[in-house]
Order: sequence, then structure tokens, then C-alpha cells
Amino acid sequence: RKEVEQDPGPFNVPEGATVAFNCTYSNSASQSFFWYRQDCRKEPKLLMSVYSSGNEDGRFTAQLNRASQYISLLIRDSKLSDSATYLCVVTYSGNTPLVFGKGTRLSVIA
Amino acid sequence: SQTIHQWPATLVQPVGSPLSLECTVEGTSNPNLYWYRQAAGRGLQLLFYSVGIGQISSEVPQNLSASRPQDRQFILSSKKLLLSDSGFYLCACKAGGSSQPQHFGDGTRLSIL
Repeated sequence: RKEVEQDPGPFNVPEGATVAFNCTYSNSASQSFFWYRQDCRKEPKLLMSVYSSGNEDGRFTAQLNRASQYISLLIRDSKLSDSATYLCVVTYSGNTPLVFGKGTRLSVIA
Repeated sequence: SQTIHQWPATLVQPVGSPLSLECTVEGTSNPNLYWYRQAAGRGLQLLFYSVGIGQISSEVPQNLSASRPQDRQFILSSKKLLLSDSGFYLCACKAGGSSQPQHFGDGTRLSIL
């Protein structure tokens, strides 16, 4: 079983739609969780950290369910500029490398 | 805040030639440093990481090597490139010993002919 699993998509949604991505992780010792965004032919960039109580940043909401070992990202009122690949990331302890999922591709269509 | 410098942005090399990609970091001390490769349309593959000067962990056996001669310098090398070494090479940095997120450099797009 892969350490971090995501639906590769693509998710094709119209502008203004709400879209949600889920990600599951296999290691229950995981400590920190993040969502990254990667545009085509660019480096990944941190979108947001994911906190146990859930957190929101504008149109983006991240949730963590430790019991079920999954993380979610909700995007409300999708914009064309949200089109990208969204990477789910977990880490176990301070010096171990982050583990990246393969990403979910989102296309927002006018 | 930390800044990661990677160069060059693009590189075209013949099969069998050597490679040296350099990554330098500013704005932080004793960082954890990482080299990733991403093939076209694929996920990130961790190649090497380092938690300190001279300390290198290799994740995938291959014809690449890494070195960390200084605290904020990480070098990816090869003596003889293969066609399969083509890809997008990314250097990343994280505050050592922390659960902070990583930040990436702009990457080097390497094409082997």
C-alpha cells in the first residue's frame, strides 16, 4: 500500500463550483500534514498546512481525520486560476523527509 | 524567510556527459536539504536528502550522487548521464529538526539527447 494515496483525477469543474479532494495516508505515526499546489512545469508551492481542528484560508478549507487517516481539501467558488495539481503531503518527525502523494489534477472550466 | 537558488533553469546534455546541479539556500541555518526528480506527468521522486554537512541519505540507487560541502549548499552530480535521467530536478529546504513544510527552488529542467 502506498504511503500517501490520492485520486489522480482529472477533476473538471465549472467556474464557481465547489470541489473536494481526499487523501489517505498509511502511517498512523504521521505528525504534520500539508497541501501543496503545483502548476504545469513549475515547482510545488505550499498551499496550506492542515491542523487537527481543521482550518480555512479564504476559499480553501482543510480537514484532518486522524482516526480514519485521511485529509481533505475543499475549494469553494472555483476560479480558473485554481487549475493545477494538488499534492497531499505528510511527515512523521522532524528530520524524516516529507512524503508526497502523486497529486490530483484540477481543471476549472469557464 | 528562506530563499532557494537553483541553476540553470534548463539544461540540455548528451548521453554519457557529466552533470553538476547546484542548490544554495539563504535565510536559514542548518537546514534539511532535498533533491527530487519529477518525470513528465509523474509524481515527485525523492533522490537524496541531507540533515547536515557531509551527511547524505540516498533514497533510490542510480547513477546520481549528492554532496553537501557547506551548510547551505547541496550539489547533485553524475559522471555519465543516461537517457532516463531526463526530468525536472527540484531542490527543497526545510528547517532542520522541525515539522515545518518544505520549500522548493525553481527547478532545473534537464533534457538528455
